[in-house]
Amino acid sequence: KQEVTQIPAALSVPEGENLVLNCSFTDSAIYNLQWFRQDPGKGLTSLLLIQSSQREQTSGRLNASLDKSSGRSTLYIAASQPGDSATYLCAVGPGPTGANNLFFGTGTRLTVIP
Amino acid sequence: ETGVTQSPTHLIKTRGQQVTLRCSSQSGHNTVSWYQQALGQGPQFIFQYYREEENGRGNFPPRFSGLQFPNYSSELNVNALELDDSALYLCASSLGLAESYEQYFGPGTRLTVT
Repeated sequence: KQEVTQIPAALSVPEGENLVLNCSFTDSAIYNLQWFRQDPGKGLTSLLLIQSSQREQTSGRLNASLDKSSGRSTLYIAASQPGDSATYLCAVGPGPTGANNLFFGTGTRLTVIP
Repeated sequence: ETGVTQSPTHLIKTRGQQVTLRCSSQSGHNTVSWYQQALGQGPQFIFQYYREEENGRGNFPPRFSGLQFPNYSSELNVNALELDDSALYLCASSLGLAESYEQYFGPGTRLTVT
């Protein structure tokens, strides 16, 4: 059974710092991994999608890497800003049901202090 | 291009009642997935529809049912509501079943069962 773990559960950093969020998964037979951002009480905003054949993806100040063999992904945020404060969720697909669904971790709640 | 929309935004129901949540997928997307997100947890997969047929289901009881219409919009129905059904319900659409397709999420419907 696929299990996705995100460490740490919460993180507080001063503005301007670079930071790394971690995601691990137990079953390496995945096709892709997505990182999402979720503001309190809101839906999910997709940040980066990494296909299983890729090692990393970059978008602006964000860089996500994927090491499928070790079951790990990291999300690197450069020069953090207060607007980056949110919960970050990692999800792998497909899930174990046979459908093309995503299997999520419980997220890392990030607070960037001005 | 219109993104994924969901209605209503918020809903309060009493235990034992029935509820219908609605989702309009992104233009051109024929696959819709529904997720339940309890407070402080990652989203959990409920089921997926592809071209009006159910294509996989998570670990949810039969009182959770769905429909997909010819225009690919979708409904989630929950019968005999329980207190534990209180959650944020998220809908996601994608271009198809291929694992390489990114999933795009709507803003969610917050359901409170009292």
